[in-house]
Amino acid sequence: AAGVIQSPRHLIKEKRETATLKCYPIPRHDTVYWYQQGPGQDPQFLISFYEKMQSDKGSIPDRFSAQQFSDYHSELNMSSLELGDSALYFCASSGTRGGYHNEQFFGPGTRLTVL
Amino acid sequence: AQSVAQPEDQVNVAEGNPLTVKCTYSVSGNPYLFWYVQYPNRGLQFLLKYITGDNLVKGSYGFEAEFNKSQTSFHLKKPSALVSDSALYFCAVRDSEAAGNKLTFGGGTRVLVKP
Repeated sequence: AAGVIQSPRHLIKEKRETATLKCYPIPRHDTVYWYQQGPGQDPQFLISFYEKMQSDKGSIPDRFSAQQFSDYHSELNMSSLELGDSALYFCASSGTRGGYHNEQFFGPGTRLTVL
Repeated sequence: AQSVAQPEDQVNVAEGNPLTVKCTYSVSGNPYLFWYVQYPNRGLQFLLKYITGDNLVKGSYGFEAEFNKSQTSFHLKKPSALVSDSALYFCAVRDSEAAGNKLTFGGGTRVLVKP
């Protein structure tokens, strides 16, 4: 079965650089979520999109922005990177058919290292 | 506000013995509860969920969880643990009365199954 695809899998950037993470949801899933997992931490919700509109916002820094495109893929743009941004970034997707309690399926994550 | 607590950082169990990973939650409305497992350098894999209905929920890989409303708990169980069950386990909740669809995760419990 198709899963959530994230690219790149690994990314190394310098401080103050920018990064773009991409997420391709499971086909026919209409909702995409972004989570950040720091070392030894639980995943923290950043932002989500439903049908290309932002549906919820969590602890996402103002330096970050995201959007969902017409083909439902999503991109997380990160600017002025800081050392503390080093983390594993997960994208998840879910379908809302049948209700808003459907489980989220997670991608393998993008490991961002800021030097 | 929705929150989850996993009181144990680590659980050690011998192979073949029962495994229990504890989770308690706090929500304003009704809880939608989920368990995920994370293997090293991998994404989160969905195990099972409770939305409504029977308090005992059966999931993947022989795992089950029992929803207890009075104790606000959703403990994960497996009758006979395998060495391959060694991983990081996350409990997550979504409040039925919360706007959006984000999950709030517990801090995670590392399970170590010894041969």
